[in-house]
Amino acid sequence: NAGVTQTPKFRILKIGQSMTLQCAQDMNHNYMYWYRQDPGMGLKLIYYSVGAGITDKGEVPNGYNVSRSTTEDFPLRLELAAPSQTSVYFCASSYSIASGGAYEQFFGPGTRLTVL
Amino acid sequence: RKEVEQDPGPFNVPEGATVAFNCTYSNSASQSFFWYRQDCRKEPKLLMSVYSSGNEDGRFTAQLNRASQYISLLIRDSKLSDSATYLCVVPELTGAGSYQLTFGKGTKLSVIP
Repeated sequence: NAGVTQTPKFRILKIGQSMTLQCAQDMNHNYMYWYRQDPGMGLKLIYYSVGAGITDKGEVPNGYNVSRSTTEDFPLRLELAAPSQTSVYFCASSYSIASGGAYEQFFGPGTRLTVL
Repeated sequence: RKEVEQDPGPFNVPEGATVAFNCTYSNSASQSFFWYRQDCRKEPKLLMSVYSSGNEDGRFTAQLNRASQYISLLIRDSKLSDSATYLCVVPELTGAGSYQLTFGKGTKLSVIP
């Protein structure tokens, strides 16, 4: 299994440009997540999905959009990129809720985005 | 939003030393907890899960004190390969019935030869 894959690994955008960060998983996980990690800070949840066709906002959703048309894919769309969106973006996936709490999340290798 | 606080670090320790990291959380409803390890410029990876009072895996021991809302990670006989940032993670049940993870900012460990 490839696990969670993300593309691209690196990207530089100009202010106002748009792009889509791709994320795919082959573990048949229902839940998928997008996080951003700024230097010296904890991961912040942007959006998450509990299954195909279902998405919900996390802690920092402004400036982003997501879709979940299949179990495997969960792309993150940045519209009108701003310097504040310079960050490392991680996609993650997990099984559904366990009886004793949350399941482990598996992370992709990340996308390093710079907006200039 | 519930908070997760960790020792800021960095911790610089010699090989073979024992080191402990602390984490406090504010969500008293949380039932399970995680320690993740994140190497420089890499993704977080699960180190240990903690579902009851504690968990031990080789040189690593995680302990949970629910009354004090406190989790610790103990690393014995530190190796150079233990150098990383250790993230304390607390799941939070949302109103929609799913879990969201709240991450601490992490504690950086450097093991020195």
